[in-house]
Amino acid sequence: DARVTQTPRHKVTEMGQEVTMRCQPILGHNTVFWYRQTMMQGLELLAYFRNRAPLDDSGMPKDRFSAEMPDATLATLKIQPSEPRDSAVYFCASGPPGQKIYGYTFGSGTRLTVV
Amino acid sequence: AQSVSQHNHHVILSEAASLELGCNYSYGGTVNLFWYVQYPGQHLQLLLKYFSGDPLVKGIKGFEAEFIKSKFSFNLRKPSVQWSDTAEYFCAVMGNTGFQKQVFGTGTRLLVSP
Repeated sequence: DARVTQTPRHKVTEMGQEVTMRCQPILGHNTVFWYRQTMMQGLELLAYFRNRAPLDDSGMPKDRFSAEMPDATLATLKIQPSEPRDSAVYFCASGPPGQKIYGYTFGSGTRLTVV
Repeated sequence: AQSVSQHNHHVILSEAASLELGCNYSYGGTVNLFWYVQYPGQHLQLLLKYFSGDPLVKGIKGFEAEFIKSKFSFNLRKPSVQWSDTAEYFCAVMGNTGFQKQVFGTGTRLLVSP
């Protein structure tokens, strides 16, 4: 089964530290999405890419968050400096060129705890 | 812009009860519709999808959903739920023209008691 791989699965860090989350989309998928899930806010879209180009990152706090796709096999989401309110599960999802038909495939998420 | 409403935030059912979770969307054009399931501690998985043709869509694990265009709805159903169906269910809509992103509803938490 093709899967979206996210690392790390869990991350505990102190406030003020830099956090980098990584995502390897499914080979051949050309769209990549970053979501944040919390109990209070549910599933929030932070940013997404198509063919490695950022299309929309309006859901992301720009002062501390950044998302990049250095190549087609790697997407990164960075938080610097991290704050306790960033504690959440961060999901990456990827979609094929026919995403309207096939939907997204989600990774297992990175559970971030900022203390 | 698209939007999705899932009116039931929490649903509690006994095993063997029938399930219907509501999903209404707002979009002016042709849409593709999806239901995802998230089991406790896991990631979202695609349950079923509609993009054209028969408005009654059958998915995995006995789930089905019906697209009613006149009502802008895509409700999820299952005739007899099991304890293992305890999960959170998300409806999503995507416009069918050009490149569009999926817009997710806020989710419905289903608890099935044995």
